[in-house]
Amino acid sequence: DQQVKQNSPSLSVQEGRISILNCDYTNSMFDYFLWYKKYPAEGPTFLISISSIKDKNEDGRFTVFLNKSAKHLSLHIVPSQPGDSAVYFCAASQEGTGNQFYFGTGTSLTVIP
Amino acid sequence: GAGVSQSPSNKVTEKGKDVELRCDPISGHTALYWYRQSLGQGLEFLIYFQGNSAPDKSGLPSDRFSAERTGGSVSTLTIQRTQQEDSAVYLCASSLVGTTTLLEQFFGPGTRLTVL
Repeated sequence: DQQVKQNSPSLSVQEGRISILNCDYTNSMFDYFLWYKKYPAEGPTFLISISSIKDKNEDGRFTVFLNKSAKHLSLHIVPSQPGDSAVYFCAASQEGTGNQFYFGTGTSLTVIP
Repeated sequence: GAGVSQSPSNKVTEKGKDVELRCDPISGHTALYWYRQSLGQGLEFLIYFQGNSAPDKSGLPSDRFSAERTGGSVSTLTIQRTQQEDSAVYLCASSLVGTTTLLEQFFGPGTRLTVL
């Protein structure tokens, strides 16, 4: 039972344009969300997070938006760069449940120079 | 070492054999997680250790899987009588636990397990 879903397995974007990666979740009790980026043969690295008390968090070129009513979050990368090409995972957790995180299946982003 | 390390990086074994995968978390991180990523799948939670508390084993797929964390640091994931469906990348992560802003996990490079 996949509680966090990333329905787009892949995305291609031209360099300089916006990349939008989407993530949906089913558990309304989730209150903390993270995005991780993974290069081949490496472990995922933390990118950006958002707690449910916010609807937006920005860090440089990366912005995460949270729509709690729709149980949807998205990661925007502006402008996209070739070095952003990687697999992006979203993850969700509920505070107080032992820090168990639920990850999506990932979206492979390719930024075309 | 500054990051999470895992060994071996690759392991090829025959069906029915036992394997041990090792994880060295970041020093001072009290939480340690094991995940696996099968081909075409997301990260699947396996087990979580936090300090001296009893581990959360709710993600272990069968009783062939077990894990230990000795001295609150190094962890070993053991898979007994391996099956071909156990083939996956096994990822370890560690984190500080205390406040919401410190819940981010730091991942190791993973161990790619292939069961022939």
